[in-house]
Amino acid sequence: EPEVTQTPSHQVTQMGQEVILRCVPISNHLYFYWYRQILGQKVEFLVSFYNNEISEKSEIFDDQFSVERPDGSNFTLKIRSTKLEDSAMYFCASESTGTANTGELFFGEGSRLTVL
Amino acid sequence: QQQVKQSPQSLIVQKGGISIINCAYENTAFDYFPWYQQFPGKGPALLIAIRPDVSEKKEGRFTISFNKSAKQFSLHIMDSQPGDSATYFCAASTQAGTALIFGKGTTLSVSS
Repeated sequence: EPEVTQTPSHQVTQMGQEVILRCVPISNHLYFYWYRQILGQKVEFLVSFYNNEISEKSEIFDDQFSVERPDGSNFTLKIRSTKLEDSAMYFCASESTGTANTGELFFGEGSRLTVL
Repeated sequence: QQQVKQSPQSLIVQKGGISIINCAYENTAFDYFPWYQQFPGKGPALLIAIRPDVSEKKEGRFTISFNKSAKQFSLHIMDSQPGDSATYFCAASTQAGTALIFGKGTTLSVSS
């Protein structure tokens, strides 16, 4: 069964450092997302990406964040200068607009980011 | 107006019992209401979803009830099993390709 894969599974970084989280979405999917989940809290939308550009972003997704699809398969989230409050589980998701148009997101298993 | 309010925060149900989780929303533009199930250490996975043109959808032991006038929807898990123990999130969106707005989640424990 096709799946969304994310790397790394866990990253520990110092405050102020740059972090890149990587995702390989399901190959025939067209929409890509990043969500985050602070420990024990709800899943929060960060950004959606379609046709090589951001289609929507939340208030959380400020200038410290950026996304890129560098090679047609990977989808990355970069945090330029990490803060303590960026510590969270980051989930990548992808979606096929397909004929069913179900809007079903397929989530990866997440990348846990710990900022010290 | 973009919030989805979910209750209860946690739920303990006996094996074989019915689990009921409720959600409410304000934005009348929402037209897609999925429920996601999340096990520890895993990403959320779609469980069942409904659109506002129907009042109920059933898939196996899982049923969504939708009340458009009250702007509420709920998940019913019949014959709850220990394997159903997980965190359940309701969500809403306005159309495919835009953000899913999640509720805060309900941690369900089914005791055997």
